[in-house]
Amino acid sequence: DAGVTQSPTHLIKTRGQQVTLRCSPKSGHDTVSWYQQALGQGPQFIFQYYEEEERQRGNFPDRFSGHQFPNYSSELNVNALLLGDSALYLCASSLRDRGRNEKLFFGSGTQLSVL
Amino acid sequence: RKEVEQDPGPFNVPEGATVAFNCTYSNSASQSFFWYRQDCRKEPKLLMSVYSSGNEDGRFTAQLNRASQYISLLIRDSKLSDSATYLCVVIDYSSASKIIFGSGTRLSIRP
Repeated sequence: DAGVTQSPTHLIKTRGQQVTLRCSPKSGHDTVSWYQQALGQGPQFIFQYYEEEERQRGNFPDRFSGHQFPNYSSELNVNALLLGDSALYLCASSLRDRGRNEKLFFGSGTQLSVL
Repeated sequence: RKEVEQDPGPFNVPEGATVAFNCTYSNSASQSFFWYRQDCRKEPKLLMSVYSSGNEDGRFTAQLNRASQYISLLIRDSKLSDSATYLCVVIDYSSASKIIFGSGTRLSIRP
């Protein structure tokens, strides 16, 4: 049973470029959320996808966008990269739980460096 | 004021000690609470859910205090392997639903 997988593991880009990160959820999970984690900080919630739609969004600009596919996998796109976008990007999958005990399972992340 | 606040530490305690740390949250509408553990350069991993009635998993005990808006984590008989950063997570399922992590508390257990 594969856990959450993310690709690529590391990425180097220059300012102004665009990047796409990918995530495959844990088997049986239908919800994917994305986080940005700067060094020494906790993960910051970017957005969450369920049923191929963005359901919730954190305080991130429109340069950050995403997509969820019918197989529940997801992409995070960042346009017009800034130096400050350098961070570890984490994907988490979960099973939508109306009982509100939604447990997140994380992938090992993509380390993005913007030069 | 941050929506979720944790003492960053580091907490440096001897093996076998009991250590506790808190996490405060500002949104009284928050509905779900968790503790995650993150090792250096690794992804966060779920440690335990937190309920008002309190819950225990081996050496770990978590508690939620809704009146004072904080959650706590107690680790008894600490092991070297408990050294990590502990992140609290607060989820609000209202219309402005979002998932908020604290910035983490670093724990270092010394022999």
